Amino acid sequence: GESVGLHLPTLSVQEGDNSIINCAYSNSASDYFIWYKQESGKGPQFIIDIRSNMDKRQGQRVTVLLNKTVKHLSLQIAATQPGDSAVYFCADSASGTYKYIFGTGTRLKVLA
Amino acid sequence: DAGITQSPRHKVTETGTPVTLRCHQTENHRYMYWYRQDPGHGLRLIHYSYGVKDTDKGEVSDGYSVSRSKTEDFLLTLESATSSQTSVYFCAISLAGSEETQYFGPGTRLLVL
Repeated sequence: GESVGLHLPTLSVQEGDNSIINCAYSNSASDYFIWYKQESGKGPQFIIDIRSNMDKRQGQRVTVLLNKTVKHLSLQIAATQPGDSAVYFCADSASGTYKYIFGTGTRLKVLA
Repeated sequence: DAGITQSPRHKVTETGTPVTLRCHQTENHRYMYWYRQDPGHGLRLIHYSYGVKDTDKGEVSDGYSVSRSKTEDFLLTLESATSSQTSVYFCAISLAGSEETQYFGPGTRLLVL
């Protein structure tokens, strides 16, 4: 069945280092992908998205990479800051469905 | 938070009682969604709405009903709450012209005793 999962449930990085959070998806029909950040006690916050016609997309300090061949998605955070500590989710959907499959999340801990 | 509010933010209730959660948005978004979030699971879609009085089921709709009598409000009702419905409930909206991207509210934490 369809699933979106994360390889690492917890990731600890030193402040200032780059972080890479990985995600695998299984639905070959998925063509839209989103990363969310969720801080404790809050709702998921949109970070960045990417469509299947792209391999890479950059935002402010974040980059999303998409490898459709192996159904893999990653989120790179440059110069990780304490405020980046949160749980990060990936999600995918197929065109026109407006329905997502969410991963269970990776907890990012930034060490001072 | 895309102009989304949820009420109540916290609720404790007893098994068998009805519970209604409210999602309110101020920006006239067409699409609205209800999700639940549980440990070990990704967010799971309960119901969604694509307009006033237009709703459809998600993957975990059993035991839940919804109503949308006006654009700004999307109500989620647990007709007879069970302990398995203890969860954090999130409402989400999609923006016009970018319906694929969903933005979430702050959540409602529900405990069913």
